[in-house]
Amino acid sequence: DIQMTQSPSSLSASIGDRVTITCRASQSISSYLNWYQQKPGKAPKFLIYAASTLQSGVPSRFSGSGSGTDFTLTISSLQPEDFGTYYCQQSYSPPYTFGQGTKLEIK
Amino acid sequence: EVQLVESGGGLVQPGGSLRLSCAASGFTFRSYRMTWVRQAPGMGLEWLSYISSSGTTIYYADSVKGRFTISRDNAKNSLYLQMNSLRAEDTAVYYCARDFQWLALDHWGQGTLVTVSS
Repeated sequence: DIQMTQSPSSLSASIGDRVTITCRASQSISSYLNWYQQKPGKAPKFLIYAASTLQSGVPSRFSGSGSGTDFTLTISSLQPEDFGTYYCQQSYSPPYTFGQGTKLEIK
Repeated sequence: EVQLVESGGGLVQPGGSLRLSCAASGFTFRSYRMTWVRQAPGMGLEWLSYISSSGTTIYYADSVKGRFTISRDNAKNSLYLQMNSLRAEDTAVYYCARDFQWLALDHWGQGTLVTVSS
């Protein structure tokens, strides 16, 4: 099975900061990498697919990059509503595993 | 509007069984692949199972293989997860989700809580 490792596990940042979350796959997954945001008590929200394609309606301050084994999610200018936990997921080979999550807090 | 509504969760004893349902509306259900994901209390997301649009291709996580069975009824716009031999570690909120391009999960239900305890 492909293991997905996110870093950091948690971070605290200020409004307006540029935030980067990293996701690493245990083997190459091409660009089959998706990102989700989850807020407490809510279902995850789909943000990005194919490593860098923004889902319709997702603010342009979110961006994704990478291919192969190393990927990043970047928030260019952090907004108050961006708090929550972010998960990466590989959809290259079943089981389509998730990373352990990165909890983002607003300072 | 795409809607996914899970039901069937509840309290069950270890070794027991439960069948979860996911009612889909607002899209052509028979054309979409579907997935079950769970989240144990305070933990991250765990991918569980996938079913193709026709139901002919199915995958499971090792943690549930042989105990859980995914199925669908396209005539009823419904997805199911039959869960047998339940363990305490199966306690979680169970989500159904629709597969989008590149097998990303673009719409999720609100989740249903399964508690396995004596």
